[in-house]
This record gives sequence, C-alpha cells and structure tokens, in this order.
Amino acid sequence: QVQLVESGGGLVKPGGSLRLSCAGSGFTFRDYYMSWIRQAPGKGLEWVSYISGSDSTIYYADSVRGRFTISRDNAKNSLYLQMNNLRAGDTAVYYCARPGPDWYFDLWGRGTLVTVSS
Amino acid sequence: SYVLTQPPSVSVAPGKTARITCGGNNIGSKSVHWYQQKPGQAPLLVIYYSSDRPSGIPERFSGSNSGITATLTISRVEAGDEADYYCQVWDSSSDHRVFGGGTKLTVL
Repeated sequence: QVQLVESGGGLVKPGGSLRLSCAGSGFTFRDYYMSWIRQAPGKGLEWVSYISGSDSTIYYADSVRGRFTISRDNAKNSLYLQMNNLRAGDTAVYYCARPGPDWYFDLWGRGTLVTVSS
Repeated sequence: SYVLTQPPSVSVAPGKTARITCGGNNIGSKSVHWYQQKPGQAPLLVIYYSSDRPSGIPERFSGSNSGITATLTISRVEAGDEADYYCQVWDSSSDHRVFGGGTKLTVL
C-alpha cells in the first residue's frame, strides 16, 4: 500500500523546537523528491520545503529559511523536518507530500498538528 | 513572488456545472494542478498538467488553462463534491511551489 505517515507533532512553546517525521511505504522512496507542506487552522496550503532523492538539493520557503531543516534517511524510507525557534505563526497541520514531474503532489500523508503556544 | 487568485466561494445546485477559477500572471504558460480537500482530510490531486485526471478521479472533473486564468470544471455536481479546492503551480523563476488561497464549493 502506497502511503505516507507523519508523526512528531505536538504543543511547543514559542522559541522551542520540534522534529517531524514522515515514513513512506509502497514505493521506492529514494527515487523521489519529497516535500513538506503546511496548513494553518482554517487557512490555505503553504509549501514549506523540498529535498531531492539523494538529498543533494534542498530548498525552503522564505518564511522558514534559517529556522527549519529538511533531511531524509533513505535506508529508513523516512523524511524529517527539524523546526527550531518556533513562532505562533508556525502553528499548522504539517503534511509530507510526494511530488511528481512538474511539481504536482500526487501522494499526501494525513498530516501532523504542530501548535506553538505559551 | 508569483500569486494565484481564487474566489473564496462558489455555490452550485446539484446536477449543475461548477467552475472554479485560478488567476495568475500568464498562467497559461504554466502547468496548473488542482486539489480537493474535504474537512479533516489531506488534499487529493484531482487535475494535473492543467487538464489531466489521475486514475480514480471521475470524468466529471476537467481543467483548462489559457491566458491569465485556469479553470476547474465540475460537471453534474454531487453533494459529495462539496469541499475546498486549491490550484497550484511551480514558479520556475523563484523555484517556489505556489498555492492559490482556495475556493469553498458549496452544493446547494
């Protein structure tokens, strides 16, 4: 079964850190770029970051650059997002997603909720 | 940065045709992708490359793209089509993946 499953969300204080994980199965994980996309409560979708299959290419949205770090472990079929210096505005459901050619996202996880609040 | 503009809401009666627009500068030169999101669920790809349907998506869903507007068309609308719909492109100049603000489709 082709799927992505996120974990690691929770409640964190402003300025704190959190590490999200995403486990892929049912497909050759190392062959795909992967992305993180988030959605604030009641708001739209916002692309956060991507990483190439070999993790040689990485890119971030301006809103998270310098605070978030994307990584992957192809031996474990896993994608990660290390989030530091978290702000209230980072509160969102975080989805990992698999992009196809031309960057449409054809596979999504169910998401994990991150809440930044004191 | 590249901006995609969608109407906040569209309403349609069952059995009729819904059209959801996505505006952007010269969007006709880009591939536009569309997602359906129901409450509490992850987004689902319904149209890619502006007009292609993934397997399992009903033929009632179609897409077009020209000039400054891309359109998602849902024919013979059903109650189960009620959801938020998002358009998305890859802006090669900034290497950003850009989403529209979303359109809430209400089936009357």
